[in-house]
Amino acid sequence: KQEVTQIPAALSVPEGENLVLNCSFTDSAIYNLQWFRQDPGKGLTSLLLIQSSQREQTSGRLNASLDKSSGRSTLYIAASQPGDSATYLCLPGGYQKVTFGTGTKLQVIP
Amino acid sequence: GAGVSQTPSNKVTEKGKYVELRCDPISGHTALYWYRQSLGQGPEFLIYFQGTGAADDSGLPNDRFFAVRPEGSVSTLKIQRTERGDSAVYLCASSLTRATGELFFGEGSRLTVL
Repeated sequence: KQEVTQIPAALSVPEGENLVLNCSFTDSAIYNLQWFRQDPGKGLTSLLLIQSSQREQTSGRLNASLDKSSGRSTLYIAASQPGDSATYLCLPGGYQKVTFGTGTKLQVIP
Repeated sequence: GAGVSQTPSNKVTEKGKYVELRCDPISGHTALYWYRQSLGQGPEFLIYFQGTGAADDSGLPNDRFFAVRPEGSVSTLKIQRTERGDSAVYLCASSLTRATGELFFGEGSRLTVL
């Protein structure tokens, strides 16, 4: 069974800071890894998808890396803004049952 | 459609009643997933469809839960004899294929069992 851990569980930073969110998973037999954000009371919005053959993916101020062999992914957010406040979730996609981590709740303080 | 559509957005029911939740995936997406999310938790996998068949239903908590996707498009999650513990947001996602597909989620159906 795939186990996913996200650290930290919660993070509060002042506006403008760069930050890193971590995702680790136990089974490296994955197709891809996807990062999402979830705003309160809403569904999940896809941020980035990294295929298993890739090391990195960038979209605007977001950069996600994947080290499949060590079971780790990081999401780097540059120059954080209050609008980035949300819960961030990672999802390793693989042959096994697809399971989410617990997420990191981010608060960016103006 | 442009995105994954879920109806109803909110459903309040009484304990013991039957409930159906509908998911309309993005047109052409062959893979469809149902998740359940309780307050403060990450989404919990329930069932995955590839086309019309349930390829993995190992996440369904018990036999009161059942899902169908008869024509390989719209899916319905059915819950019999609802219990208060079934209260949660039920999320649906679809992807073009399973192998490398990016998942797209709907806004969810919030179920409250009184």
